[in-house]
Amino acid sequence: NAGVTQTPKFQVLKTGQSMTLQCAQDMNHNSMYWYRQDPGMGLRLIYYSASEGTTDKGEVPNGYNVSRLNKREFSLRLESAAPSQTSVYFCASGPQGSPSGANVLTFGAGSRLTVL
Amino acid sequence: SQKIEQNSEALNIQEGKTATLTCNYTNYSPAYLQWYRQDPGRGPVFLLLIRENEKEKRKERLKVTFDTTLKQSLFHITASQPADSATYLCAARDNTGKLIFGQGTTLQVKP
Repeated sequence: NAGVTQTPKFQVLKTGQSMTLQCAQDMNHNSMYWYRQDPGMGLRLIYYSASEGTTDKGEVPNGYNVSRLNKREFSLRLESAAPSQTSVYFCASGPQGSPSGANVLTFGAGSRLTVL
Repeated sequence: SQKIEQNSEALNIQEGKTATLTCNYTNYSPAYLQWYRQDPGRGPVFLLLIRENEKEKRKERLKVTFDTTLKQSLFHITASQPADSATYLCAARDNTGKLIFGQGTTLQVKP
């Protein structure tokens, strides 16, 4: 049981390049999330998907797009990378799609992105 | 805006002592609070959840309290060990259902 799998683990980009971070979960969870983590800032939500076919903006969505490809997969795309997007990105999934309930999350191992 | 706040200063304690970490929330009343542990270079891992109608929750050496009057949760690790050294994150769902996190508090347990 792999849980939440993110790829790649590390990536270096030049300013203006594009890339997609992939995330897949095998727990049949309804909701999926993308967070970024920066020193002193904690985890900040970029986008989330409460259920297959829906996506919503989080706290810091600018410069990012997402696709909920199916129930298992949720990708994050940087169309034109900027140095401010240098960060560690975490994908997570939770069993609940509705706003109520606790929705305990399972996280991936993280993707470390550097934009030069 | 709805916020979760933790003391960003590192907490250093001696092995065997009790570590107490604080989580405060503002501008809303979450029905649940969650605590996660994060080790360097890894994703957060869920530890405990406490509901608003529960004053206290325990799991082995861990204890979490939830004070809706103070708008605060305390996370205790009793008989702390060097292996407990990590960053601990508090989280709660906001009114739209999104899970928001505090900045995390780093605990260092010295032998």
